Amino acid sequence: KNQVEQSPQSLIILEGKNCTLQCNYTVSPFSNLRWYKQDTGRGPVSLTIMTFSENTKSNGRYTATLDADTKQSSLHITASQLSDSASYICVVSGGAGNNRKLIWGLGTSLAVNP
Amino acid sequence: DVKVTQSSRYLVKRTGEKVFLECVQDMDHENMFWYRQDPGLGLRLIYFSYDVKMKEKGDIPEGYSVSREKKERFSLILESASTNQTSMYLCASRPGQGLIGELFFGEGSRLTVL
Repeated sequence: KNQVEQSPQSLIILEGKNCTLQCNYTVSPFSNLRWYKQDTGRGPVSLTIMTFSENTKSNGRYTATLDADTKQSSLHITASQLSDSASYICVVSGGAGNNRKLIWGLGTSLAVNP
Repeated sequence: DVKVTQSSRYLVKRTGEKVFLECVQDMDHENMFWYRQDPGLGLRLIYFSYDVKMKEKGDIPEGYSVSREKKERFSLILESASTNQTSMYLCASRPGQGLIGELFFGEGSRLTVL
């Protein structure tokens, strides 16, 4: 069964600290993996996309990694800011034939405290 | 800036009422989507459309219908609202073919059915 699991479910860190969010998937065949940020009460916004051949990609203080062999991705946030408080959702596209679709994780809720 | 606009941020309806949720995008995207988002269940696809007057069922279409009469507008209809349809509803659009492209989301419509 195609699944996407994220950990931890929630996380609290102090402003200025780094953190890493995890996304494990069992989607096959794999097409790409995208990370979204969702502020409370808003729609998700894309942070980055990882394709099969990419290992690391940065978007400002956000760095995503992908290990296609172990089917794991991580999102590392450097020098966190209060505005990083949000839910971070991993979504994998893949599957074969009529089962090609987006499979969404449940998200990690991040709180950055002053 | 790309823009997906949902007509209502907050709605309160009574059981059995007919509910219309409207979504308009200004990016000339071919594909439009309706999701619902519930705690612990993540984003679940209700319906999507890849062209005017075309519609496809997502993972949870029961109790919903959609209409796409113009390229920029995608409406979600609850023919007879029930309490289990209380949720956050998110509209999204995406350009082109396949599953690569980024989804652009609206701000969401929080529906409460009493």
